[in-house]
Parts: sequence; structure tokens; C-alpha cells
Amino acid sequence: AQTVTQSQPEMSVQEAETVTLSCTYDTSESDYYLFWYKQPPSRQMILVIRQEAYKQQNATENRFSVNFQKAAKSFSLKISDSQLGDAAMYFCASGGYNKLIFGAGTRLAVHP
Amino acid sequence: ETGVTQTPRHLVMGMTNKKSLKCEQHLGHNAMYWYKQSAKKPLELMFVYSLEERVENNSVPSRFSPECPNSSHLFLHLHTLQPEDSALYLCASSQNSGGGREQFFGPGTRLTVL
Repeated sequence: AQTVTQSQPEMSVQEAETVTLSCTYDTSESDYYLFWYKQPPSRQMILVIRQEAYKQQNATENRFSVNFQKAAKSFSLKISDSQLGDAAMYFCASGGYNKLIFGAGTRLAVHP
Repeated sequence: ETGVTQTPRHLVMGMTNKKSLKCEQHLGHNAMYWYKQSAKKPLELMFVYSLEERVENNSVPSRFSPECPNSSHLFLHLHTLQPEDSALYLCASSQNSGGGREQFFGPGTRLTVL
């Protein structure tokens, strides 16, 4: 069975600092993608960043970057220069066509 | 309208009521999904439709009945629900050809079953 584990239910960071959210996954698929989604208090889930498993280069989107360790099945999200608007639930997800498996989420608080 | 829309945003219903949730995607995608989000639990995939055919049903109780009349619309028909069905119901869509595969989510319907 495919599983995604986020071991940090809650994290906090000071504004302008850097924080890393952890994610591990287990999949039997050879062709899969990994995603980080953000769900602010308004509840609209939005995509933060995605990584194709066949690519070795870590994905980067502005202040967001990932550390993808395929052998270890690890996919962490680094948020640099944290902003108040980054406060949200963050979900890690793994999957292929027609199916994504989500982790339980990490609630990130950003302190001014 | 852009993206994925859901109506209603909030719904309160009794256990004997029948109601429907509606989802519409304006992204030209060919797959749509229903998820259930409960407090402190991972998102639970309920139904997947690809090219308007149901391809996955994750052992969801029959009191939830999906309908996908075309690639842009998805419904979730509800009847004789239980209080434990109270949750946020999220709809998503994706384009399952070529690259990407990311799912785009609607704002959700907050359902309360009394």
C-alpha cells in the first residue's frame, strides 16, 4: 500500500527565517510524482511545488525548494525567508495517474 | 469563473435529508475527484472519474453516490448520512495526459450532519 508520512504535526518559524517540513513516502510505482500543497485557513488547497521522481534535480519555486532523496523515499520542503502568509497546513502527496496519497499534514505557524 | 468551484460552501442537514454537492471545473481537465477531509486525518479519496467514467471507489458507503455527467461537472449525492460524515468535502480535477498530474482543488463544502 502507498503511504505518506509527515512526522511533524506542528511547526513554527520566525518571520524571515527558514523552516523545513519533513515527508517520507512509500510507493510501489516506478513512475510517480511528489507534491507539496498548502491549505491556508480559508481552506482552498493550492499547489506549492512538485517533483517528478525521475528527475534528480531538486525542484525550486521562488522561496520554496525541496530536498528529494529517492533512495530514502524522503521529500522535504524548505521555506526560505518565511512570511506571515506562509502560515497554513502543508500536505505532502505522492502519486501517479488518477491517484494521490496525502500525508496527515503539518500546521505551520509564522511568528512576527 | 476560474479554476474549480464548489457549491454550496456550507451545508447543514439532518440524517434523513437528501442533498447534493456540486463541483465544476473550468480548466479543461479530464479527471475529477471527491475527497473527504476530517480533522486531524489525511485526506481520504472517495471517488475518481477519468473521462467521465468512475475508475476508483475507495469503499465509500452507499449513502454517498457520485455522478459525473460530463468532464466539467461532478456531483455527490447524499442521503441518510450519519453525524460522523460531517467533514469538509473537497473536489479536485486534473489533466491525466502528458506531464503534470497535479490536482487542482475547489474551496470545499463544509458539511454538518445533525
